[in-house]
Amino acid sequence: DTGVSQDPRHKITKRGQNVTFRCDPISEHNRLYWYRQTLGQGPEFLTYFQNEAQLEKSRLLSDRFSAERPKGSFSTLEIQRTEQGDSAMYLCASRLGGQGATGELFFGEGSRLTVL
Amino acid sequence: QQQVKQSPQSLIVQKGGISIINCAYENTAFDYFPWYQQFPGKGPALLIAIRPDVSEKKEGRFTISFNKSAKQFSLHIMDSQPGDSATYFCAATDYGQNFVFGPGTRLSVLP
Repeated sequence: DTGVSQDPRHKITKRGQNVTFRCDPISEHNRLYWYRQTLGQGPEFLTYFQNEAQLEKSRLLSDRFSAERPKGSFSTLEIQRTEQGDSAMYLCASRLGGQGATGELFFGEGSRLTVL
Repeated sequence: QQQVKQSPQSLIVQKGGISIINCAYENTAFDYFPWYQQFPGKGPALLIAIRPDVSEKKEGRFTISFNKSAKQFSLHIMDSQPGDSATYFCAATDYGQNFVFGPGTRLSVLP
């Protein structure tokens, strides 16, 4: 158990619907990352936060995707008007950033999205 | 320049054998190189990591070899066991900002 929680673990939706995923990081971790992983591929970076500030977004993150981390605690990833190509595992990870911190990313077990 | 290349895509090893997975990068700003292990239905978990100021790091049966001039690093699993059967990802990051992952190697260790 890495301590990063994601909910829901699996979401099945119809094309065009909106979905939201939640991530609760390890409590003292100030950095939070979202990745997307498709079958047989490595995690692809989507975005990351330091506390509540979204510091970087991948060009993979189209305008249908939005992520928030209010108050620097949990984070949500929303996908609007889902498309079949959005079907993937969405992974959340957290780490302690800053001077003296190790580089280890702690991943959650992921939220699997299936768009019909 | 942000890409991390990884080979082979899949690997089959007999129990007790040595598994070797190779990775290469271009971005010289990368300063931390972790390896992650992922079992089906689970998120990746850190296995071992190295910084570019050392050429080798060993933890139990797992060793990372790092060649800074060639911009390559590899994972060696000694005495491979069926329980090591998983997908392995190399990764790289610059100052802990964006972590870039390789495409993964699916390892199967035959009993």
